[in-house]
Amino acid sequence: GAVVSQHPSWVICKSGTSVKIECRSLDFQATTMFWYRQFPKQSLMLMATSNEGSKATYEQGVEKDKFLINHASLTLSTLTVTSAHPEDSSFYICSARSMGSGELFFGEGSRLTVL
Amino acid sequence: AQSVAQPEDQVNVAEGNPLTVKCTYSVSGNPYLFWYVQYPNRGLQFLLKYITGDNLVKGSYGFEAEFNKSQTSFHLKKPSALVSDSALYFCAVRSGNTPLVFGKGTRLSVIA
Repeated sequence: GAVVSQHPSWVICKSGTSVKIECRSLDFQATTMFWYRQFPKQSLMLMATSNEGSKATYEQGVEKDKFLINHASLTLSTLTVTSAHPEDSSFYICSARSMGSGELFFGEGSRLTVL
Repeated sequence: AQSVAQPEDQVNVAEGNPLTVKCTYSVSGNPYLFWYVQYPNRGLQFLLKYITGDNLVKGSYGFEAEFNKSQTSFHLKKPSALVSDSALYFCAVRSGNTPLVFGKGTRLSVIA
């Protein structure tokens, strides 16, 4: 089946630094990728929809200057958490929609811990 | 607006017994319904989906779900639970090309 790779799987950073998380579709092209955030023991909350070659669409309440999303190619979207703070610690999951089948595939997630 | 309700935070079942994880949804238009499973510190694994056709959908690992339009439900079932089925289960819905909306999740615990 189709694979979506997220990197890094785990990241620990100091407060005030920026962290970039990559989401790659390994064997298919994706014009649309989605970024979710999951708090402990809670559901996935959609943060933004990322479309290749255009600006991301952010959900209400998500700071676009805080969570920078870039979808520069049909196989890569990146989420940069700028000036991270401890409250940004969370599990971030991306998903990619296949151009061919329209199916949605999920990455394994990236756990961010901000000290 | 789309929404998904998973009324149970936790479901406990003995190994070998049948299990049901409940899900109801609200959506304008035709629903596309999904079940995913999540193990600790892992992403989501697809179990099954309903798009159209037969209301009974069979998926991975022996799971199945029944789409009930009148009750707007899509309950997940398995005839005989395994300890390895213990995980967090999410129901999700979308309509057309809208993003997936997830339920809050139900933690399944299968006891040997």
